[in-house]
Amino acid sequence: DQQVKQNSPSLSVQEGRISILNCDYTNSMFDYFLWYKKYPAEGPTFLISISSIKDKNEDGRFTVFLNKSAKHLSLHIVPSQPGDSAVYFCAATGNNAGNMLTFGGGTRLMVKP
Amino acid sequence: DAGVIQSPRHEVTEMGQEVTLRCKPISGHNSLFWYRQTMMRGLELLIYFNNNVPIDDSGMPEDRFSAKMPNASFSTLKIQPSEPRDSAVYFCASSSGGYNSPLHFGNGTRLTVT
Repeated sequence: DQQVKQNSPSLSVQEGRISILNCDYTNSMFDYFLWYKKYPAEGPTFLISISSIKDKNEDGRFTVFLNKSAKHLSLHIVPSQPGDSAVYFCAATGNNAGNMLTFGGGTRLMVKP
Repeated sequence: DAGVIQSPRHEVTEMGQEVTLRCKPISGHNSLFWYRQTMMRGLELLIYFNNNVPIDDSGMPEDRFSAKMPNASFSTLKIQPSEPRDSAVYFCASSSGGYNSPLHFGNGTRLTVT
């Protein structure tokens, strides 16, 4: 039972354009969501997060949107850069889960120069 | 800050052998996690320690897997006996606590069991 799903295994975008990565969740107890970026042969690194009391959080080129009614979140990267090419993981947790994260399967983003 | 340190980076072993993976969390972090990444199952949580005490080990696949955290600066994940289906990348992560504290991951150990 996948509680966090990233339905697109890969995404290819031209440099300078917007990248939109999507994530869906099923557990209504999740109230905190995170995005991690992973380069080959490295561990995932924290990118940006959002609490369920917000519907948007922005950090430079990265913005995360949360639609609680749809149980959907998305990560927007604009403008996309070749260095953004990586695997992006969506993760979720809730106050009753300690700080155990449930991860999605990841989306491989390729930004073409 | 050296980050989370895992060793070895790569481990190749034969089926039936014992494998021990090691992790040194970030100093001052009181939560430690072991994750496994496979193509089929993505990143799955194996076990979680808080203040060196195992809190949730429901993700540990079988009795062949065991994890210990003898002190705040060291943890091990042991597989005995190892099987080919255990081949995966194993990540250790730590955090400073609180359910919204981001996890800091090590670079992982790539395990291959032949």
